[in-house]
Order: sequence, then structure tokens, then C-alpha cells
Amino acid sequence: QKEVEQDPGPLSVPEGAIVSLNCTYSNSAFQYFMWYRQYSRKGPELLMYTYSSGNKEDGRFTAQVDKSSKYISLFIRDSQPSDSATYLCAMTKAGGTSYGKLTFGQGTILTVHP
Amino acid sequence: GAVVSQHPSRVICKSGTSVKIECRSLDFQATTMFWYRQFPKQSLMLMATSNEGSKATYEQGVEKDKFLINHASLTLSTLTVTSAHPEDSSFYICSATSGRDLAKNIQYFGAGTRLSVL
Repeated sequence: QKEVEQDPGPLSVPEGAIVSLNCTYSNSAFQYFMWYRQYSRKGPELLMYTYSSGNKEDGRFTAQVDKSSKYISLFIRDSQPSDSATYLCAMTKAGGTSYGKLTFGQGTILTVHP
Repeated sequence: GAVVSQHPSRVICKSGTSVKIECRSLDFQATTMFWYRQFPKQSLMLMATSNEGSKATYEQGVEKDKFLINHASLTLSTLTVTSAHPEDSSFYICSATSGRDLAKNIQYFGAGTRLSVL
């Protein structure tokens, strides 16, 4: 079983739709949770960063973490064609030898069509 | 924002040759750099952690003699794929971080290098 599970999609939505992306994980030691956006043939770009459970909002993006369910989500409001990319969830444990070591989900391919 | 440059973006080589990939932090000093590998439609897999001035730490299953990592300065780390074979063909991505960002587990990624071994 993978430590982090993410539905690869692909997910296709019309412009203006609300997009919901999700990951589940099995290791309760994960404390830091991130969402990255990766355009084709490019490196990942950090979108959202949260520590432990709760919500975080940044513009059209909202990240949610539910540690009790081992479930994280990214919501994109008023989606735009420019949001079309692969979205990767990532997480890491706190401190020690795990410092900075990210475990990524498989990535969800999102297409927002006009 | 922090910028990480990776070069080359694409390389095609013959089986048995060695290929060097460079990762540079352009506007900050990177005490730590990470090297990842990404197969098509799969996630990024951490290969090794590189700290400036010390030997790299490799993840389980990654051959250190196959993937040589050098982090000789605070702005440059290199990955050399030695005696490349077709199964080494993949997308290699580096990331860099330092200080306060490392404490928050924030990394800045390069654009990646697509390696094709014929």
C-alpha cells in the first residue's frame, strides 16, 4: 500500500466550476501538508502549505487537513483554463531524519475547459 | 521568490555514457538540495538528500555509485548518472531549500531534466 494515495484522474471541468482534489494517507506521523501545481514538463510549484489539521485559504484556493481521517483536500473556486495542470499533494513528518523529505501523491491531472 | 535553475532541460545519450545534471539556486543559498525521479504518470520519488559540503544521503534502493551527487557550494548541486542505461530514462527534478524554509519543509523546485538513454 502506498503511503499517500491520490486519484490520478483525469478530471475535466468547465470554467468557473469548483474543483475538489483529495489525498488520503496511511502514516499518522505526517505533520506538514502541501499542494503543488505542476505544468507539463516543468517542476512543481508550491501552492498551499498547512501544518496539522485545519483550513487555509489563499485567494481562490482552500486547503483542508483532517488528520483524524488522514485526508487532505484542495478546493479551487472559479476555476480558470490557466489552472489546467497536474496537482500533487505532498506531506512530511516532523524533524529528525525525516526533515524535508516529502512524500508525494501520484498527482491529479486537471483540465479546465472554456 | 526563490528561483532554482536546472540544466540541461533535455538530454539524449547513448547507453553506457555518463550524464551530468546541474541544479543551481539563483537568488538564495541552498544548504540542502533534494533529487527526485519521476516516471510518466507517476509521482516524484525522492532519490537523495544533498547537504552542502557533506556526502549525500541516498534513499533505500537508490544506487549511490550509479547516481553520483556532489553539493560543493551553497548554490550548486550536481547529479551524475553513470553508465546510463535505457531503464534510467526518466524525468529528474531537483529542489533546494535553506534555513527557515527547511524548518517549514518548504522546497523550491527546478524545471526538471528529461533524460532519454538510447
